[in-house]
Amino acid sequence: QVQLVESGGGVVQPGRSLRLSCAASGFAFSDYAMHWVRQAPGKGLEWVAVILYDGTKKYHADSVKGRFTISRDNLQNTLYLEMNSLRTEDSAIYYCSSHVDTLTGKNYWGQGTLVTVSA
Amino acid sequence: SYELTQPPSVSVSPGQTTRIPCSGDALPKKYAYWYQQKSGQAPVLVIYEDSKRPSGIPERFSGSSSGTTATLTISGAQVEDEADYYCYSTDNSGDSIWVFGGGTKVTVL
Repeated sequence: QVQLVESGGGVVQPGRSLRLSCAASGFAFSDYAMHWVRQAPGKGLEWVAVILYDGTKKYHADSVKGRFTISRDNLQNTLYLEMNSLRTEDSAIYYCSSHVDTLTGKNYWGQGTLVTVSA
Repeated sequence: SYELTQPPSVSVSPGQTTRIPCSGDALPKKYAYWYQQKSGQAPVLVIYEDSKRPSGIPERFSGSSSGTTATLTISGAQVEDEADYYCYSTDNSGDSIWVFGGGTKVTVL
């Protein structure tokens, strides 16, 4: 079955770095653009970044541009989010998700990994 | 930066119909997507490309779009439809910049 499993979250001090991973299985990972989406405690969803299926293009939200970088390894079926210069406002559950397949409506999400930025 | 605007909450009685609007300047040219999120769970896609329903989503969920407003309609709401609903779309910049609306809490009572 389809699985997206995020890892790498934890408690980190402001200004430090963290790298999130999202391991994919059960679908053709290399055919899909992939997104990171976050949700601060008690708040709404916030789109963070997207990377094309082949990694040639990537886009980031203004709130993380210059600090976060999305990347992927299609041989390892893994998506990454490198997070630098972390701020308290980056504290959230981070989800990875596949781009919506417009032919089938398929859209896969992981269960999320919690990042807490605190002194 | 681009914004999608939704009402923060709506209430509906079981079996009745509710509509959730989402407004955004790029919606005349960009598709709207709708997600349902129940407490403690990952979001689930209920409508894509304005009005298409993924396999497994009940027919009572429908979507439409006209001008700068996209609308999610729940016809014959069920207690299990109580959740947060988010619209989702891209801006007109030409880059793939995605945005969620602020979310609408649907209460079925």
